[in-house]
Amino acid sequence: AQSVSQHNHHVILSEAASLELGCNYSYGGTVNLFWYVQYPGQHLQLLLKYFSGDPLVKGIKGFEAEFIKSKFSFNLRKPSVQWSDTAEYFCAVNAAQGSGNTGKLIFGQGTTLQVKP
Amino acid sequence: KAGVTQTPRYLIKTRGQQVTLSCSPISGHRSVSWYQQTPGQGLQFLFEYFSETQRNKGNFPGRFSGRQFSNSRSEMNVSTLELGDSALYLCASGPDSALSNEQFFGPGTRLTVL
Repeated sequence: AQSVSQHNHHVILSEAASLELGCNYSYGGTVNLFWYVQYPGQHLQLLLKYFSGDPLVKGIKGFEAEFIKSKFSFNLRKPSVQWSDTAEYFCAVNAAQGSGNTGKLIFGQGTTLQVKP
Repeated sequence: KAGVTQTPRYLIKTRGQQVTLSCSPISGHRSVSWYQQTPGQGLQFLFEYFSETQRNKGNFPGRFSGRQFSNSRSEMNVSTLELGDSALYLCASGPDSALSNEQFFGPGTRLTVL
């Protein structure tokens, strides 16, 4: 069965600190990878995505992620966090089925990031 | 373009009742998926509809069902509600193109079962 594991459940950082959130997935086939963010009181928004090509992808608000196929990982990074980055972050995997695209996303448990001003 | 809309936003029901939630996808999107979000289980996939057909199904009991209409709008139904069904139910739509299967999420319907 496909699964996604996020290493950190709760992270507390001070403003300007660097961020790295770990994500590993379990699936042997072709995957599409996503990071979503849920700000307090808001709905899930896409931060960035990887479908193919350059394994280092850049998203909105200065976030980036690196896909390492050999490690089944897709870690999220940001060089300098801001108080406004306080939110819950979800890693998700979409395993492309043989019949075509599918909207089924498998999510990790989420990481709550708290940034202290 | 308008985003994914879900109605109602909040709902309170009692055990044993049934409930229907509605989702309108982004215009042009034909794929609609439903997810359940709870503090304990996180985000779990319920099912996906594409062109009025269920294309994928998660591991939920048969009390959870859905359908999609010709205009891509989707409804989700939960029968014989249980306390554990209290959750945020999210709908997502996607373009389902060869280039992108990105999912866009709505604000959710908060269901409370008493």
